Amino acid sequence: GAGVSQTPSNKVTEKGKYVELRCDPISGHTALYWYRQSLGQGPEFLIYFQGTGAADDSGLPNDRFFAVRPEGSVSTLKIQRTERGDSAVYLCASSPEFNSPLHFGNGTRLTVT
Amino acid sequence: QKEVEQDPGPLSVPEGAIVSLNCTYSNSAFQYFMWYRQYSRKGPELLMYTYSSGNKEDGRFTAQVDKSSKYISLFIRDSQPSDSATYLCAMSGDSGYALNFGKGTSLLVTP
Repeated sequence: GAGVSQTPSNKVTEKGKYVELRCDPISGHTALYWYRQSLGQGPEFLIYFQGTGAADDSGLPNDRFFAVRPEGSVSTLKIQRTERGDSAVYLCASSPEFNSPLHFGNGTRLTVT
Repeated sequence: QKEVEQDPGPLSVPEGAIVSLNCTYSNSAFQYFMWYRQYSRKGPELLMYTYSSGNKEDGRFTAQVDKSSKYISLFIRDSQPSDSATYLCAMSGDSGYALNFGKGTSLLVTP
């Protein structure tokens, strides 16, 4: 079946602009996660949704970052006033339930110029 | 010091060799241990998932967890050029979702 889908695959934006990154999880997966992977590093946890609510947003680096999942399926990661340090690959993952293995999408490569 | 340490390599082996990859960690609360494979410009793909200590085998892959030494390993038998990728170890505590990843080891299997 279809895996986790992320759009766009690449996004180039100017410093100070606003961006939205979209994630379509695997159908039927109730848990959704966002991670960020910088060059040469492993992914770092940002936020976890169970259904529509953010169960844990402790990994969001600051208040410029926000994520929503209004209907419990698709999620959008929003970044305001982008900075060059935000450049990274943003990965979305989903799982059937809490504490089951995560399945990742191919990510959105964000470049802030 | 990061909670999860992993040698980034690169590691180069000939086709057919046995590959040994490993990670060490410092947080004794970790209970879930995973290995992911990541090809260039792709997302991590789950290879092995284990809970607590012990061994798990799946085809050419064997995962080992030694909680007393805070050390995990992934062995790949009969390595193939298609195994060339970055291998990431990941682990978590009770939550199971806030994964702590290593930096990844880059593996090249040459024909």
